[in-house]
Amino acid sequence: DVKVTQSSRYLVKRTGEKVFLECVQDMDHENMFWYRQDPGLGLRLIYFSYDVKMKEKGDIPEGYSVSREKKERFSLILESASTNQTSMYLCASSSPGGGDYNEQFFGPGTRLTVL
Amino acid sequence: AQTVTQSQPEMSVQEAETVTLSCTYDTSENNYYLFWYKQPPSRQMILVIRQEAYKQQNATENRFSVNFQKAAKSFSLKISDSQLGDTAMYFCAFRVFGNEKLTFGTGTRLTIIP
Repeated sequence: DVKVTQSSRYLVKRTGEKVFLECVQDMDHENMFWYRQDPGLGLRLIYFSYDVKMKEKGDIPEGYSVSREKKERFSLILESASTNQTSMYLCASSSPGGGDYNEQFFGPGTRLTVL
Repeated sequence: AQTVTQSQPEMSVQEAETVTLSCTYDTSENNYYLFWYKQPPSRQMILVIRQEAYKQQNATENRFSVNFQKAAKSFSLKISDSQLGDTAMYFCAFRVFGNEKLTFGTGTRLTIIP
């Protein structure tokens, strides 16, 4: 059974703290993604990685950075958390599809609250 | 840039009835894929159904089917014989052929009433 796991389901942090969100997949996928999900806005892509140490900005990268040192692990970093980063964060992974469906598989999400 | 629009933020329907969720998209591309994802309450997002733009035949997966109208850029999801387990957020998504990234709509919260 394919699996994408995220380190925490719920996280509460204070403004200014450095926050790490971890994602691990066991499907040997090359692609990994970080989204944030907000009511009325759907899912918006923060960062995308297509290989180890490779990354590409998504639609809303400001205030975030990422790290991919190993194929199975993709970390999202909030260098200095702010209240407007309170959100649900979803990680996903996929094989490079190009001309194929390459379905994205999602983790359970981390609900982050920044106080 | 591609955009995906889901005009129904919330819907509810009686159990066993049929419901249709709407999705429209805007793109200048000719080759692309369309997806419907389901996010049950407090559970992981899963793929429900997918469609290749070059296929005229509408995709079906058991009780789930789509009405794909390429010229109108419309991709609606029909759920037949709705069940309580269909209660979820449903997201329409779009991907250009050769591009790894998905563009999502804002979602429709569907509630099945017993």
